Amino acid sequence: GIQVEQSPPDLILQEGANSTLRCNFSDSVNNLQWFHQNPWGQLINLFYIPSGTKQNGRLSATTVATERYSLLYISSSQTTDSGVYFCAVEGTSGTYKYIFGTGTRLKVLA
Amino acid sequence: DTGVSQDPRHKITKRGQNVTFRCDPISEHNRLYWYRQTLGQGPEFLTYFQNEAQLEKSRLLSDRFSAERPKGSFSTLEIQRTEQGDSAMYLCASSLNPQGLLNEQFFGPGTRLTVL
Repeated sequence: GIQVEQSPPDLILQEGANSTLRCNFSDSVNNLQWFHQNPWGQLINLFYIPSGTKQNGRLSATTVATERYSLLYISSSQTTDSGVYFCAVEGTSGTYKYIFGTGTRLKVLA
Repeated sequence: DTGVSQDPRHKITKRGQNVTFRCDPISEHNRLYWYRQTLGQGPEFLTYFQNEAQLEKSRLLSDRFSAERPKGSFSTLEIQRTEQGDSAMYLCASSLNPQGLLNEQFFGPGTRLTVL
């Protein structure tokens, strides 16, 4: 099945710093989402981005489907950005399940 | 739109007991998914429904697990004869898929199961 790799696995930033999180996937995908999981376990939708570039405030994301990767940019990080960031992909085999990466654990220090 | 809700939020049970979780999807969402997440891992797919039909089940879903979505609205996930290895966060998601490849999933807050 499709493999999803996220890097880096862990990231510590000072408040105000910028960061780039990467998601590589091993096969063609129909859909891709980025999530932020808060300390209570809730998965919060950040971007639905099968291809192209989107921006939402301090966050932006780019998916280059032909090269099988997606990037999540966080600018001017805040302590509330701390948590785990997941990339999830849906393959092209006709099932609708998402395959998640193992996540990037981000800690932003005040 | 109230989002996906799950009940209970936490469940502690003894090994061998049966447990049932409920998920209420976003209204009018025709697809409903169950995932399981263990500590330090990403969520793993268990099963999904399109309306009331269960269309796919993961190998993770042993015969002790059963899921239903009787009227195409809420869903239940039952685990019989729980084992300590069943301890995990159980997540429900829903999506609206009128046609084509659109499949943006929205997740509930999860049910955290602890089996003693």
